[in-house]
Amino acid sequence: KAGVTQTPRYLIKTRGQQVTLSCSPISGHRSVSWYQQTPGQGLQFLFEYFSETQRNKGNFPGRFSGRQFSNSRSEMNVSTLELGDSALYLCASSLTGANEQFFGPGTRLTVL
Amino acid sequence: AQSVTQLDSHVSVSEGTPVLLRCNYSSSYSPSLFWYVQHPNKGLQLLLKYTSAATLVKGINGFEAEFKKSETSFHLTKPSAHMSDAAEYFCVVSVPGSSNTGKLIFGQGTTLQVKP
Repeated sequence: KAGVTQTPRYLIKTRGQQVTLSCSPISGHRSVSWYQQTPGQGLQFLFEYFSETQRNKGNFPGRFSGRQFSNSRSEMNVSTLELGDSALYLCASSLTGANEQFFGPGTRLTVL
Repeated sequence: AQSVTQLDSHVSVSEGTPVLLRCNYSSSYSPSLFWYVQHPNKGLQLLLKYTSAATLVKGINGFEAEFKKSETSFHLTKPSAHMSDAAEYFCVVSVPGSSNTGKLIFGQGTTLQVKP
């Protein structure tokens, strides 16, 4: 079974721009969660989608948004990028959201 | 509120010696607990999980962890370290309930250094 895939793997943007990251879950998994990893804050939960609905959201500003498609693939969008948005963005999939999560390799976003 | 505290930010061991990575958790409910490992520039890999069955949990690559409710601890151990074990390790808690579905809470991580 193929693992979780994320595209692109690396991204460089400038302040004020917006960015879209993509995540394809393991086949059969319906829950996709997104996390931000930074050296200062560690790993923090952004949001979780299940059956195209956002079920839970972390403490991030509204510039961070996401969606999920009928095939369970998910995208997250960050608008009006700030320098502090530079991070590794990880997505994880699970069967229902109440099980263990399997992580993708991440997208490294650098904001200049 | 639920939280996880990893008691050591950095642990250094010699190859062939035991590994102990310490984790304490706080949760109002019966949590699920996990250990994940992250090698440089890689995603997170699940090492093992505790979900209220046996308190001693065996994982991949010779790692195991023991859930101790009285001490609210979930320490990770390995009898003999290998050079390939050098990585960042995360203790993680998942709390049941609709408001927590899909949300993992991570400790700050412990960097394991293995010296030859």
